[in-house]
Amino acid sequence: EVQLVESGGGLVQPGGSLRLSCAASGFTFSSYWMSWVRQAPGKGLEWVANIKQDGSEKYYVDSVKGRFTISRDNAKNSLYLQMNSLRAEDTAVYYCARDLSPASFDYWGQGTLVTVSS
Amino acid sequence: QSALTQPPSASGSPGQSVTISCTGTSSDVGGYNYVSWYQQHPGKAPKLMIYEVSKRPSGVPDRFSGSKSGNTASLTVSGLQAEDEADYYCSSYAGSNNFVFGTGTKVTVL
Repeated sequence: EVQLVESGGGLVQPGGSLRLSCAASGFTFSSYWMSWVRQAPGKGLEWVANIKQDGSEKYYVDSVKGRFTISRDNAKNSLYLQMNSLRAEDTAVYYCARDLSPASFDYWGQGTLVTVSS
Repeated sequence: QSALTQPPSASGSPGQSVTISCTGTSSDVGGYNYVSWYQQHPGKAPKLMIYEVSKRPSGVPDRFSGSKSGNTASLTVSGLQAEDEADYYCSSYAGSNNFVFGTGTKVTVL
């Protein structure tokens, strides 16, 4: 059974940093592109970043470029999102998702809430 | 990249059909056959219902179908059931490894 389990969310002050993790199991992690998708409270979905199977390509939505870094450790079946210079508008539930094909995410974690507030 | 446009709400009685539209541009929906649809129940993670315009993942009932014409994609839910009441989001590839989601539609089963 495919499972994605996020962790690392919490309350952080504006300008602060946070590192999210996603533990994958039940599939060959190293064979898939992986993405982070976020959802602000009461709002819609927003794709944040994705990373190629071997980590050689990484892409970001414009609003997080230069502040967020996506990475992966295939030996540990884990996906990460390092978030720096956090802003109030980054407050959201962050989901880890497996890429099936462009714009198609076939498995999602349960999400982890990041709250940026003083 | 602007969000794709969906109607805020749609509704139908049990057994009826409901169709949700997703309007973009020639740079996203109209330019690629990479449109997906997701169902999201309150407090839950999204679930993939349709990918690549009209393909259904294993386990998704054939009551759910997708199509596209020009810059507008559509999701049709036939034979509405109570458990279909949820938020639905479309997404599209927008080129240069960018992806855009729709604004979301709340489907109510009357």
